Formats: sequence, C-alpha cells, structure tokens
Amino acid sequence: DAGVIQSPRHEVTEMGQEVTLRCKPISGHDYLFWYRQTMMRGLELLIYFNNNVPIDDSGMPEDRFSAKMPNASFSTLKIQPSEPRDSAVYFCASSFSGWEQYFGPGTRLTVT
Amino acid sequence: AQTVTQSQPEMSVQEAETVTLSCTYDTSESDYYLFWYKQPPSRQMILVIRQEAYKQQNATENRFSVNFQKAAKSFSLKISDSQLGDAAMYFCAYRSATGTASKLTFGTGTRLQVTL
Repeated sequence: DAGVIQSPRHEVTEMGQEVTLRCKPISGHDYLFWYRQTMMRGLELLIYFNNNVPIDDSGMPEDRFSAKMPNASFSTLKIQPSEPRDSAVYFCASSFSGWEQYFGPGTRLTVT
Repeated sequence: AQTVTQSQPEMSVQEAETVTLSCTYDTSESDYYLFWYKQPPSRQMILVIRQEAYKQQNATENRFSVNFQKAAKSFSLKISDSQLGDAAMYFCAYRSATGTASKLTFGTGTRLQVTL
C-alpha cells in the first residue's frame, strides 16, 4: 500500500516565482495536513483539511501561501510570490478520523 | 494552548545499551494522545509509538516503550538494545482528543547518536 506521496522531492526556484507543492494522501484517509520544518522554528502546522474542507489555516504565514484540496486524493500548497525565507522542508501528512498521522517524504524547497 | 518540551537537544548511546528521551507537555485537557516520531537523515517522519491519555498502561512497541506519567505531564521514550539504525531526530507530539482539534503539536526534537 503506497504511503503519502509528495512531489517534487526537491525544488529550487528564484525569489518572486510561484511554487506549487503536491500531495497525494493515503487512500481512505479523511484528514490531510501541511507542515513546514525549519531549523529555527521546528515543525509547524500550516493548515489541515477534513473531508477536503479546510478546518484550521491559522498557521499559514501570510497571504502568499494558499492551499487547496479539490478532491480526496490530491492537495496543493502554493506560494506566490516565493521569498528566500520560505526555504524549508514541507511535509504533507494524512490520517484516518484524526488518528495517528502518516507523513510523506517531504519537499525540500530552496528559494534563491 | 498546548506546549511540548524536549529539554535534551542531543543524546548519545552505545550500541546495545538503553537510552531514555524526555518529553514534558502542558495542557488543561484530560483526554489527549501522545506520540513519538522518528526522523532519520532521509527526513521521513516515522511514527514510533503512541499513548492514549486514558490508558494507565504504558505503550510498548518491540524495543521502544514509554513511561507515561499523567499527573506529572511527562512522556519519556525508552529505547532498549539500541541499534545503529536508531540514530535520528526524535520528536514528541501531542494531540487533543476533543472536537476536531486533530492537529499535532511537536516538541523541538532530540538528536540521538548511536556509537559503536
């Protein structure tokens, strides 16, 4: 059974460009979470969805960040425009009925 | 708001020995879940063990066990017979059991080194 799938695994972009990170949760899971990990701030929850509906986006840093979940098997996290301080590892995780979360391999984003 | 504290930024253990990683948390809730996640150099976050607050019995998973002290709000992880593959960052996490508050609150992590 495939785990959480994220793409791309690595992304290098220039400041000001749009970045889109993608996530496919585990089939049957009804919760999806986006996290950001940096040395300075550790693991931070950005937003999470339940049955494709955003429940809590209080962790989204600013309007440059947006997330969508058009269906149960796909979610995107978009940064527009990107800035060097957005450089981090972005994780997607999914769970069933809010139980333990299973993480994807992460996307390492570098904004130059 | 809940907070999770891991006071040991780094720990070291010899292969085959036992090590305990500390975690404390602050909450006003009575029902919640606690987790330990492992993050090896590959970056993948791997669930190691979970504990339901309503259970008095400490959870165990093979070589991994926890010491859950609800009154003290303490949740330590014991790794027995340490192996080189146990070297990783370990994160303690808290999740409320009420309502739709399904988000995890993580500690800052403990880096575990395993030496020969």
